[in-house]
Amino acid sequence: KQEVTQIPAALSVPEGENLVLNCSFTDSAIYNLQWFRQDPGKGLTSLLLIQSSQREQTSGRLNASLDKSSGRSTLYIAASQPGDSATYLCAVSPYNTDKLIFGTGTRLQVFP
Amino acid sequence: DAGVIQSPRHEVTEMGQEVTLRCKPISGHDYLFWYRQTMMRGLELLIYFNNNVPIDDSGMPEDRFSAKMPNASFSTLKIQPSEPRDSAVYFCASSPRSGGGINEQFFGPGTRLTVL
Repeated sequence: KQEVTQIPAALSVPEGENLVLNCSFTDSAIYNLQWFRQDPGKGLTSLLLIQSSQREQTSGRLNASLDKSSGRSTLYIAASQPGDSATYLCAVSPYNTDKLIFGTGTRLQVFP
Repeated sequence: DAGVIQSPRHEVTEMGQEVTLRCKPISGHDYLFWYRQTMMRGLELLIYFNNNVPIDDSGMPEDRFSAKMPNASFSTLKIQPSEPRDSAVYFCASSPRSGGGINEQFFGPGTRLTVL
């Protein structure tokens, strides 16, 4: 059974710091991995999708890497801003299924 | 496109009442997903549809829950009778298919359900 874990569960940092959020999964048989952002009281917004054949994806200040063989992904946020404060979730799409399996998320607070 | 639309945004009801949640997916998307989010259990997939057909309902907690997708632009999730432990935020998401596996999922704003 695929399990997705995110560490840390919560993170509070001053503005300007570079951050690394971690995601690990137990079964490497996946099509892709996605990172989402969730603001309080809102739905999820897809940030980055990495196909299993890819090593990383970048969008602005965000960079996500994928090491499928070790079951790990990291989301790197450069020069963090208060507007980055949100919960970040990773999710994997296992082989032979159309589902996404979500991690429990990392709650990020960036203070001025 | 307006994105995934869910209604109502908030629902407060009493135990034993029937609750119906509604979702309009993004036009052209083949997949529709219903999720439930709670503090204790995180985000759980309840059921998903492909081309209006239910594919996997293994996440539906009990027979009190049912979901339908009568056409490509509308889906409902019904709880009858509702119980306090059903209180959660229910999300609908849709996705196009591209190659192997699921492509990017687009989430609605959610329905916050409170059962008293």
